[in-house]
Amino acid sequence: QVQLQESGPGLVKPSQTLSLTCTVSGGSVSSGGYSWSWVRQPPGKGLEWIGYIYYTGTTYYTPSLKSRVTISRDTSKGQFSLRLTSVTAADTAVYYCARGRQQLVRSSFYYYMDVWGIGTTVTVS
Amino acid sequence: DIQMTQSPSTLSASVGDRVTITCRASQRISSLLAWYQQKPGKAPNVLIYKASSLESGVPSRFSGSGSGTEFTLTISSLQPDDFATYYCQQYNSYPWTFGQGTKVEIK
Repeated sequence: QVQLQESGPGLVKPSQTLSLTCTVSGGSVSSGGYSWSWVRQPPGKGLEWIGYIYYTGTTYYTPSLKSRVTISRDTSKGQFSLRLTSVTAADTAVYYCARGRQQLVRSSFYYYMDVWGIGTTVTVS
Repeated sequence: DIQMTQSPSTLSASVGDRVTITCRASQRISSLLAWYQQKPGKAPNVLIYKASSLESGVPSRFSGSGSGTEFTLTISSLQPDDFATYYCQQYNSYPWTFGQGTKVEIK
């Protein structure tokens, strides 16, 4: 059974870089059929998808964060990572990593997030 | 971006009630919609994918319907464990977007 675990600093200073890692156990970030996402949730607010890395290494980022975000992977360690530069208080949130399960619909692949990490709180202050 | 709008934002109900939550997309998304349940301090948990497919291990009292721009999540008989916040999410096009959430409270 696949499990995901986020790790990284809980406190980041404004203008610095937020770096988080998601460790995948019971599965592989290079296995076909899956994408690997980051989602965040500011205190008391809703969910925001940040982006994903596909098993091939292809990435996609939400446009509002694209200029500041990098998602990468280390297949040898079974991990994928989030890097968010120039952070402000608005980036304070619980950050989740999640696996996307592939579906074939009308000859195209789509992904819904079926396994999530427990989340890690990052405060920018 | 596709905007997802849920209604109501808050719902008060009793154990045993039938509960329906609506999610509307600003553009057609076919059936590429998922529903998640989130409890305080916990990660979201997928209930429904592809608008109406029940995720493995999810109780059958949860069901989803709809396509295009209008979708519903129904809980046929509300149980104590179901008091939580529910989110819809479209995965038809990038960026993936969530509804603002519906909190189901005890009446």
